[in-house]
Amino acid sequence: DQQVKQNSPSLSVQEGRISILNCDYTNSMFDYFLWYKKYPAEGPTFLISISSIKDKNEDGRFTVFLNKSAKHLSLHIVPSQPGDSAVYFCAASDYNFNKFYFGSGTKLNVKP
Amino acid sequence: ETGVTQSPTHLIKTRGQQVTLRCSSQSGHNTVSWYQQALGQGPQFIFQYYREEENGRGNFPPRFSGLQFPNYSSELNVNALELDDSALYLCASSEEGPRETQYFGPGTRLLVL
Repeated sequence: DQQVKQNSPSLSVQEGRISILNCDYTNSMFDYFLWYKKYPAEGPTFLISISSIKDKNEDGRFTVFLNKSAKHLSLHIVPSQPGDSAVYFCAASDYNFNKFYFGSGTKLNVKP
Repeated sequence: ETGVTQSPTHLIKTRGQQVTLRCSSQSGHNTVSWYQQALGQGPQFIFQYYREEENGRGNFPPRFSGLQFPNYSSELNVNALELDDSALYLCASSEEGPRETQYFGPGTRLLVL
């Protein structure tokens, strides 16, 4: 049961422009949504999260937007930098944080 | 540097064998989760241990089992290995109980022949 989906396997963006990564989910009981970044040969690293009671959370160049009615969230990176090139995973959990559901990832390539 | 280490980095086993993967978390990280990541897929949650007790489990059969020790290390055991068990196995820890922020290790790549 794929409860979290990332339908774009890859995204290519020019340096300095905006990167928008999308994620859809099916379970309306999720309380938190998270984004992780993964470089090759490394484990994923936590990037940013958002609670289901909010619709936006911002941290520097990274902003996550949540649309609960559409069961959709997106990660915006502005401006994009070549060092942002990585695989980005969307994940979800309830408030117990004792079970996490990950999407299949989107590979972002930021071209210099 | 997350402080989470995993061993071994790579492992080759044959179908039907048993395997033990190890994870060492930072001091104070009393929650550890294990994930299976198949090629081209996202991490799939196997189970979570909190204060040495299983605290949550994903859709994995009982031949996947775990242990967590007081020294913040943990193990994932897989019995009766199948070809589909070939994957990257990740552990992730969090401090002061289950939290949204998890710190992942680099993973163990298991190949079952």
